[in-house]
Amino acid sequence: DGGITQSPKYLFRKEGQNVTLSCEQNLNHDAMYWYRQDPGQGLRLIYYSQIVNDFQKGDIAEGYSVSREKKESFPLTVTSAQKNPTAFYLCASSIWVSGEGNEQFFGPGTRLTVL
Amino acid sequence: GEDVEQSLFLSVREGDSSVINCTYTDSSSTYLYWYKQEPGAGLQLLTYIFSNMDMKQDQRLTVLLNKKDKHLSLRIADTQTGDSAIYFCAEKPGGYNKLIFGAGTRLAVHP
Repeated sequence: DGGITQSPKYLFRKEGQNVTLSCEQNLNHDAMYWYRQDPGQGLRLIYYSQIVNDFQKGDIAEGYSVSREKKESFPLTVTSAQKNPTAFYLCASSIWVSGEGNEQFFGPGTRLTVL
Repeated sequence: GEDVEQSLFLSVREGDSSVINCTYTDSSSTYLYWYKQEPGAGLQLLTYIFSNMDMKQDQRLTVLLNKKDKHLSLRIADTQTGDSAIYFCAEKPGGYNKLIFGAGTRLAVHP
């Protein structure tokens, strides 16, 4: 089955620790995205990547880092510099064609809680 | 600037129609989307409309777009308990491949 997987589903972190969230897709999509969702707010874009070895900051990139070494994978690291990391993190992917709808497909999400 | 606004809650009776409204600010938006999120899950694309269309219908879903007023609505006919979820409106500003999401409307369906 084609789709996007995220792991783990739940993650607990102590203050001061870095943690990496996994996102894998087998849809052969060029573009991948990371969003953060907080209660009562829409999704906010953290980072996105159009092609392998390239990525751009979104609206709230501070305290986060990403890599895109493979087309299928776009891991997100939440660093200790992120002041309020407790949130629901969603990964998405899409084809990348300028001017088209480019529907984004979402993974099931990872809920990160900082203790 | 870019902003998408939605009302936060909607409660309807099972079998009635639901109408979820959304306003956006970027007049260059080329596509507008409706996503559904069930508890603890990712987002599922329900439907989308291209900015040169006024209406799109897909089974129980009807999307209306008023480009002059920058107003988008999603009508769900014969609402069922399985439609209970959060519905997000999103716009795709022209020239960008990112989406701007509203805060989501929580739809509650009661008997």
